[in-house]
Amino acid sequence: DVKVTQSSRYLVKRTGEKVFLECVQDMDHENMFWYRQDPGLGLRLIYFSYDVKMKEKGDIPEGYSVSREKKERFSLILESASTNQTSMYLCASSRRDRSEKLFFGSGTQLSVL
Amino acid sequence: QKEVEQDPGPLSVPEGAIVSLNCTYSNSAFQYFMWYRQYSRKGPELLMYTYSSGNKEDGRFTAQVDKSSKYISLFIRDSQPSDSATYLCAMISGGSNYKLTFGKGTLLTVNP
Repeated sequence: DVKVTQSSRYLVKRTGEKVFLECVQDMDHENMFWYRQDPGLGLRLIYFSYDVKMKEKGDIPEGYSVSREKKERFSLILESASTNQTSMYLCASSRRDRSEKLFFGSGTQLSVL
Repeated sequence: QKEVEQDPGPLSVPEGAIVSLNCTYSNSAFQYFMWYRQYSRKGPELLMYTYSSGNKEDGRFTAQVDKSSKYISLFIRDSQPSDSATYLCAMISGGSNYKLTFGKGTLLTVNP
């Protein structure tokens, strides 16, 4: 069964902390994405990567950075966590030629106190 | 005007009802249209996709696209409690574009 695995299901952090969210996919997909999902706002794209070491900003990149050193792994970094970054974070991947078919992880619910 | 508009609901129906979920969009460049289903505390999963105007059927589910009206629908026949989820429409313009544009989702509850 194909999988996108996110390292934590729930995470609680303090304001100002540096936070790492990890995502691993086992489908050899070229594309990987980080979204956040908030009630009333839906899914919003933070960053995506179409190849190793390549990244592009999504709709809301401010306050975030990403790293993709290996094809299967895509990390989201909150340099200095703030309370407005409390959210559900979803990682996804897709084949380069099937961008419409995203495979999502189960999400990380991050609370910043 | 938002690129994709979707009524958030919530929508509550009895088991066996026909459900209609809808999205409108403003970007004429969108070529591919998808419906994702998201169960509580899970990530979304692709339910159906289509790239042309008309209907596409898969079991109890029918996806309908009207490009002239910029309107897409998902119909669920003989709805079941297991269909209770949030349904998100999504669109992409194709080519080398990797970025899907999602609706905000409609929360559906099917009551036994």
